[in-house]
Amino acid sequence: GAVVSQHPSWVICKSGTSVKIECRSLDFQATTMFWYRQFPKKSLMLMATSNEGSKATYEQGVEKDKFLINHASLTLSTLTVTSAHPEDSSFYICSARDHGTGTYEQYFGPGTRLTVT
Amino acid sequence: AQTVTQSQPEMSVQEAETVTLSCTYDTSESDYYLFWYKQPPSRQMILVIRQEAYKQQNATENRFSVNFQKAAKSFSLKISDSQLGDAAMYFCAYRSRAGGGADGLTFGKGTHLIIQP
Repeated sequence: GAVVSQHPSWVICKSGTSVKIECRSLDFQATTMFWYRQFPKKSLMLMATSNEGSKATYEQGVEKDKFLINHASLTLSTLTVTSAHPEDSSFYICSARDHGTGTYEQYFGPGTRLTVT
Repeated sequence: AQTVTQSQPEMSVQEAETVTLSCTYDTSESDYYLFWYKQPPSRQMILVIRQEAYKQQNATENRFSVNFQKAAKSFSLKISDSQLGDAAMYFCAYRSRAGGGADGLTFGKGTHLIIQP
C-alpha cells in the first residue's frame, strides 16, 4: 500500500511552453501533498504545500505564478510549470501525506524529469 | 526556520562492514520528527528510518539504527553489515509536528554512500 505515482516520468518541452505534472495517491487519500525540486546531485527543496480544495502554500522564493498547483481531489495534485525556461529544467518530486495515519507519514512519488530546450 | 546539515558529501565502506553517516540540525522546536531517506540511482525516495523527538529510545530497523542526541541536535545513521544494495544517496530530513503533519520536509544536502565489494 501507500503508493504515489507521477506522470509523466520524463518530459521535454520547448522554452516558452507550459507543462503539467500529475501526482496521484493510488491507494490512500491525501488531503496534503508536497512538491519538491531536486537539482542534479543536490538536495530536495520544498517548493509548495498543496491542500485539497484550497490554495497552495508556496515557500519563500518560489514564484506562484510560474509554478501553478491545483489539488482538486483527495488523490490528485498537479504542478504546471508555465512559460518554461531552461533554468526550470530539474527533477520534480511529489509526496503525499496519508490522511489516515496518526504519524502523518509522507510517501514519495518516483519523480518527473523536466528538460526545457 | 529549521536547518539540516550533513557534513559528509561522500562515504566509502567495505562490504559487510559498518558505516555511520552524520547529521546535525537546528531548531527551536521541541517536538518534531527526524528521518533518514535513501535515494538510489532510480531517484525513488525510500524511507530508511524515522525517529520521534519525544522518544528517548533510538530507532532501529534491521541493519539500520540511529544515534539520536536531542540536546546536541545530532542524528546519525549506522548501517551494519553493509551490502552492495545499500549504495545510494542518503538524506537526513526534519519535519515539525507543530503543523499537524501539514509541514513539508527539510532535507540535508545528502551523503553519497559507496560500498566497496
